[in-house]
Amino acid sequence: KAGVTQTPRYLIKTRGQQVTLSCSPISGHRSVSWYQQTPGQGLQFLFEYFSETQRNKGNFPGRFSGRQFSNSRSEMNVSTLELGDSALYLCASSAAGEQGETQYFGPGTRLLVL
Amino acid sequence: EDQVTQSPEALRLQEGESSSLNCSYTVSGLRGLFWYRQDPGKGPEFLFTLYSAGEEKEKERLKATLTKKESFLHITAPKPEDSATYLCAVNYGGSQGNLIFGKGTKLSVKP
Repeated sequence: KAGVTQTPRYLIKTRGQQVTLSCSPISGHRSVSWYQQTPGQGLQFLFEYFSETQRNKGNFPGRFSGRQFSNSRSEMNVSTLELGDSALYLCASSAAGEQGETQYFGPGTRLLVL
Repeated sequence: EDQVTQSPEALRLQEGESSSLNCSYTVSGLRGLFWYRQDPGKGPEFLFTLYSAGEEKEKERLKATLTKKESFLHITAPKPEDSATYLCAVNYGGSQGNLIFGKGTKLSVKP
């Protein structure tokens, strides 16, 4: 099976702009989670989507949003970018997003905000 | 506060020198503890899932164990290609599938 794919792999934006990142989960997986990874904070949970519905959300401002399509593909949007949003954004998929279920990660999108 | 702590932050080994990485957690209702390996610029690669105290899993030179408060990742006779950051994450009651990650242990294995 193909793994989790994310596009684009690299992005450079300026403060105030917005950005959209895309994630295609492993075939058959219906849960998609997004994480932000920075050197200082490590990996932090952003939100999780299941069957086109946001099921859980981490402690991030409303500038971070997402959605999921009927084919389980997901997009994440960050509006009004700030310098601190520079990070590796990781997408992970699991079959049903149930407790204790293994999540498989994509290669990430590296976002640099200037 | 629910927390996951990994130690040491960094570990330098000679090829063949066995050691262990530690992951301690303070969450209630553990649903699963996960080990991942992450190479620079890449996403975390899944290694193991552990569910209950006493459980052990092995893969090549790696062995993961779990107690009620911590997990160990034992590396036997490491090779340079084992160099990476090893991440521990937990899923606990009430969090659906969300993971809380530790900060990781950066392992360097010198030939």
